[in-house]
Amino acid sequence: VQLVESGGGLVQPGKSLKLSCSASGFTFSSYGMHWIRQAPGKGLDWVAYISSSSGTVYADAVKGRFTISRDNAKNTLYLQLNSLKSEDTAIYYCARRASQDRGFDYWGQGVMVTVSS
Amino acid sequence: DVVMTQTPPSLSVAIGQSVSISCKSSQSLVYSDGKTYLHWLLQSSGRSPKRLIYQVSNLDSGVPDRFSGTGSQKDFTLKISRVEAKDLGVYYCAQTTHFPYTFGAGTKLELK
Repeated sequence: VQLVESGGGLVQPGKSLKLSCSASGFTFSSYGMHWIRQAPGKGLDWVAYISSSSGTVYADAVKGRFTISRDNAKNTLYLQLNSLKSEDTAIYYCARRASQDRGFDYWGQGVMVTVSS
Repeated sequence: DVVMTQTPPSLSVAIGQSVSISCKSSQSLVYSDGKTYLHWLLQSSGRSPKRLIYQVSNLDSGVPDRFSGTGSQKDFTLKISRVEAKDLGVYYCAQTTHFPYTFGAGTKLELK
């Protein structure tokens, strides 16, 4: 199992960014997937979830601004980040939902998003 | 939201010593299916988190049996016996019973 995030960078407040998570080593379409973030020097913060059937759930802090999506043909998970705020500055990880136990069984290496003028 | 209170925030330990980390939730973590979705993860310095234990007490593949998890309802404990240098890092508990999923603030395990 391998998860590789990309698309991070420096962006101004109010602007947008789209993160990608390329998955390999498993049948991507069969698994739910998460985005989890970690602000510099802080703990883990769950952001969003998409089921294998593309149902979605969001944390209140990002609801209406972020959109999680997936392309099973490309084995890729996405996170569209709009109306970015300084408090969205973090490392963003994608993680796989374990099929039997609802946990986060595999994580990517993370991608840094910095929101600053 | 379910608040996960993890203590202590840090632990200073000698190699070979045993330690315990507590994680208490503001609500029962028993899901409607009767299972408890409380997990433990380790984040080593500069690395992404890695899951160690799922559903309170089940060790992930490759995790040594020096690690053990116990607890029920709202009160959980991670025990590490005979700490080794590779065990150092930040330990997090996480609940995936109730949306939004939440994590404890972490316990940093350091060498004494």
